[in-house]
Amino acid sequence: EDQVTQSPEALRLQEGESSSLNCSYTVSGLRGLFWYRQDPGKGPEFLFTLYSAGEEKEKERLKATLTKKESFLHITAPKPEDSATYLCAVQAYYKLSFGAGTTVTVRA
Amino acid sequence: SAVISQKPSRDICQRGTSLTIQCQVDSQVTMMFWYRQQPGQSLTLIATANQGSEATYESGFVIDKFPISRPNLTFSTLTVSNMSPEDSSIYLCSVVDRQETQYFGPGTRLLVL
Repeated sequence: EDQVTQSPEALRLQEGESSSLNCSYTVSGLRGLFWYRQDPGKGPEFLFTLYSAGEEKEKERLKATLTKKESFLHITAPKPEDSATYLCAVQAYYKLSFGAGTTVTVRA
Repeated sequence: SAVISQKPSRDICQRGTSLTIQCQVDSQVTMMFWYRQQPGQSLTLIATANQGSEATYESGFVIDKFPISRPNLTFSTLTVSNMSPEDSSIYLCSVVDRQETQYFGPGTRLLVL
């Protein structure tokens, strides 16, 4: 069975304080690893898809990397508007299996 | 990317009743899914909505409780039947586009009293 574990559960940052979120996974036949951002009361917003170990993708202050066993989401110089829950999911066939998420709070 | 709308956005229902949630996509998509997100938890796949045939349900979910229709490639409904307070959740529609990226709708927040 596919398993996705995210850490830490919660992360409190000062504005400008860079940090990383971890997503470790076990899956049979990884088709892709997805990162989503979810704001309270809203559906998940797509951020990145990573397909193979060594791949990296960037979007504004966010950078996602992938190894054979885990993925990292790096937040560089975060701003208060980066506060959200970040969800990691692995895809086998078309089914996504989600981690529990990391809730990031950035204080001004 | 696909633009997804859901109706209703939220509802408060009495136990024992049923609620039908609609999902509309702005383009034809092959794959369409329904997820549940219980309070404080992550997303769990309920079923894959198949166009023109019965939905494919995940372990722990059954058609009698969560009947799904998908009459065409842009529309689907999920019904939550004979509701109990344990059904209070956010229900999310999701689609896969041609680039195999999965997008989510805004969700339907359901509270069962």
